[in-house]
Amino acid sequence: EDQVTQSPEALRLQEGESSSLNCSYTVSGLRGLFWYRQDPGKGPEFLFTLYSAGEEKEKERLKATLTKKESFLHITAPKPEDSATYLCAVIYNFNKFYFGSGTKLNVKP
Amino acid sequence: GAGVSQSPRYKVAKRGQDVALRCDPISGHVSLFWYQQALGQGPEFLTYFQNEAQLDKSGLPSDRFFAERPEGSVSTLKIQRTQQEDSAVYLCASSLDRGWGRTFTEAFFGQGTRLTVV
Repeated sequence: EDQVTQSPEALRLQEGESSSLNCSYTVSGLRGLFWYRQDPGKGPEFLFTLYSAGEEKEKERLKATLTKKESFLHITAPKPEDSATYLCAVIYNFNKFYFGSGTKLNVKP
Repeated sequence: GAGVSQSPRYKVAKRGQDVALRCDPISGHVSLFWYQQALGQGPEFLTYFQNEAQLDKSGLPSDRFFAERPEGSVSTLKIQRTQQEDSAVYLCASSLDRGWGRTFTEAFFGQGTRLTVV
């Protein structure tokens, strides 16, 4: 069964403590993997798109990487304003666009 | 418009009432998605439009749910005879891409409509 799994479900970090979030997928015909950030009461905000294994994208303190089975979102020296839920989504088999359940990140000052 | 706009932001419905949720996508965006998001969960796919054509409605949970996009722009998600389990945030997203063998570009989301059925 096609599946998108994110881990951990929740992560608490001290400000400046770097870490990584994981998104693993078991879909066939992957056409793209997306990372979104979602703040409480708001819609998901687009961060990155990755299309092929080995690809990497960076934006400020965030770096996303992709392998054939998973993607990582690395957060370097996080700040409290990075606290949010981070969602991974994959598109495969034309128009199937599915999300994982997210990782809730809390960065303490 | 500058972004995806959804209305209303909040809707309280009595059980059994019909509701209609509106989505105004980014101008020119071909693809439009509807999602349902329960508290603490990721968005769950409901349905997908390419212009006015509803190409995938496999995620609609029951025949009480109906979506349309008659002119390929504004979309409406209608829920008939609402039940308590329909309470959730309903998200709409739009994308420029046509899909179908081409690189898929990112989808932009609206703020969502929070539906509470009492």
